[in-house]
Amino acid sequence: QSALTQPPSASGSPGQSVTISCTGTSSDVGGYNYVSWYQQHPGKAPKLMIYEVSKRPSGVPDRFSGSKSGNTASLTVSGLQAEDEADYYCSSYAGSNHYVFGTGTKVTVL
Amino acid sequence: QVQLQESGPGLVKPSQTLSLTCTVSGGSISSGDYYWTWIRQPPGKGLEWIGYIYYSGSTYYNPSLKSRVTISLDTSKSQFSLKLSSVTAADTAVYYCASFNWNYNWFDPWGQGTLVTVSS
Repeated sequence: QSALTQPPSASGSPGQSVTISCTGTSSDVGGYNYVSWYQQHPGKAPKLMIYEVSKRPSGVPDRFSGSKSGNTASLTVSGLQAEDEADYYCSSYAGSNHYVFGTGTKVTVL
Repeated sequence: QVQLQESGPGLVKPSQTLSLTCTVSGGSISSGDYYWTWIRQPPGKGLEWIGYIYYSGSTYYNPSLKSRVTISLDTSKSQFSLKLSSVTAADTAVYYCASFNWNYNWFDPWGQGTLVTVSS
């Protein structure tokens, strides 16, 4: 199983929106609605932000939203804030009780 | 709230076996809601799912690591463990334990992570 493809970087000014893509195949992202997104600040463990493509866990701001079209999932952060600057990783079920993560995207708040 | 904490040697010699333990607190390791998971992150790189174990003992591994990985469960100690054999420098990484909740298909929570360096 190959890592899901994410852009290495994305950026936006405070208050703007940024969208991160996560591209896989019909065997993972495209085949199941089991995509989740994780935020990771330097030196910290990843934190769950989105699960099952577009659902937000309790405590995650509604500025974070997720979607999926075909083999590509996306995470959008609206109303960017300084604390949103972090690395973001997608994850998808890949069948047969296996999971795969994305390559990661560094989001910079300009 | 479930909490997880990794422990184990921070330095392992090449060709030897890496062994880590994750202690679960605040919840039952025998709960059928969770798969107990290991994930790693080489320095400056992305996350890699290593595998997980269910309370029944069923295990599932990343195909790329399957020949070298063993995950086991010790319910009496509320711990699960990772063994990775024949390590090389490429296995140097921060190793995280996490719980996978199959009801929501999410990895949460995670342990704080522990850096394991493979070097002679």
